[in-house]
Amino acid sequence: EVQLLESGGGLVQPGGSLRLSCAASGFTLRNSAMSWVRLAPGKGLEWVSAIFGSGNTTYYIDSVKGRFTVSRDSSKNTLYLHMNSVRAEDTAVYYCAKSRYIYGYEFDYWGQGTLVTVSS
Amino acid sequence: DIQMTQSPSTLSASVGDRVTITCRASQTTDSRLAWYQQKPGKAPNLLISKASTLESGVPSRFSGSGSGTEFTLTITSLQPEDFATYYCQQYKNLWTFGQGTKVEIK
Repeated sequence: EVQLLESGGGLVQPGGSLRLSCAASGFTLRNSAMSWVRLAPGKGLEWVSAIFGSGNTTYYIDSVKGRFTVSRDSSKNTLYLHMNSVRAEDTAVYYCAKSRYIYGYEFDYWGQGTLVTVSS
Repeated sequence: DIQMTQSPSTLSASVGDRVTITCRASQTTDSRLAWYQQKPGKAPNLLISKASTLESGVPSRFSGSGSGTEFTLTITSLQPEDFATYYCQQYKNLWTFGQGTKVEIK
């Protein structure tokens, strides 16, 4: 059974850093593209970042480029989102999501989400 | 970038109603279009992929149609558990979600 379990969220000050983790089970991370998607208060879903199965290709939305880094540890079958220089507008529930195929496509499994609050 | 525009943003309906949500893409998605349902405090759930392919376990009252840049999600005979927010998503060029449609009780 595929499962995704996020952790690492919490309260962080503006300009601070945080690392989110997504532990995967029931499949191998390198066989799927993986994404981070966020849901800010009162807003809709927003795709944030992705890493493709090869691990060498990553993508980001413009608003987080240069501040966030997506990575994975194949030995732990875990996905990460390193968040630096966070801003108030980064406050959201962050979900990791698995694409159906190694090169992308729809998200067939999601984690339960982890809340990130950026505030002083 | 492909932009997705959903309408309406909110929809008030009653149990048993037929509901239609529209999603327009700024350029063709080649039917690489998915629909998700999200309930408060829960993760999104994939309902439909490739514009019209129903996921396993999703009730047959849900259906998707469309091609190119215009897509619809239809729920025939709305059930109490269907009150939620629905999102379309293109996955032709990375991923973009529509703004969401909240289906609320009339």
